[in-house]
Amino acid sequence: NAGVMQNPRHLVRRRGQEARLRCSPMKGHSHVYWYRQLPEEGLKFMVYLQKENIIDESGMPKERFSAEFPKEGPSILRIQQVVRGDSAAYFCASSSGTGTAAYTEAFFGQGTRLTVV
Amino acid sequence: GENVEQHPSTLSVQEGDSAVIKCTYSDSASNYFPWYKQELGKGPQLIIDIRSNVGEKKDQRIAVTLNKTAKHFSLHITETQPEDSAVYFCAGGVSGNTPLVFGKGTRLSVIA
Repeated sequence: NAGVMQNPRHLVRRRGQEARLRCSPMKGHSHVYWYRQLPEEGLKFMVYLQKENIIDESGMPKERFSAEFPKEGPSILRIQQVVRGDSAAYFCASSSGTGTAAYTEAFFGQGTRLTVV
Repeated sequence: GENVEQHPSTLSVQEGDSAVIKCTYSDSASNYFPWYKQELGKGPQLIIDIRSNVGEKKDQRIAVTLNKTAKHFSLHITETQPEDSAVYFCAGGVSGNTPLVFGKGTRLSVIA
């Protein structure tokens, strides 16, 4: 059973370009979370999606950032007109969702390291 | 919303000694507390978790304790080995439909 797959692992973009980060959740998982990590810092929540729905996007900047999780295919985090401050590691996690009030484990991918030059 | 504080930010121990990392949380409704280990250049790896209906959980050299009254939880690593060196993150979750909130991490160095 493959884990959470993210690609690309490394992405270099010039200022003003677009960055597309992809995440394929673990098999059987329908919940995807995106986090951003700056050097020497923790994981900051960005957005939580289920298939075809954005559940919580409270951590995502209102401009230039968008996310989707279509019925078919991976989840995509899209950053338009990138700036140097967008340089960070972006991690995706997936979980199998909830049946009761109990939380389910979230598993992370290896991340995409975005560098804006 | 939930706020998770983690201490210390760095920790150095001699090989074979124990390491303890502590976290506090703010939302009394939180019911799930995982711990992740992140090695350089890799994604966070879930190593152990605890739910609010238990006070302690152990898995070989790793144990986690939870004090709901005080709203804090701790990670204990015994007989540390050099391969335990990594950044460790605690997190708290309110329910299954809200994202985990992470502490800022503890960089553990195990000195051989």
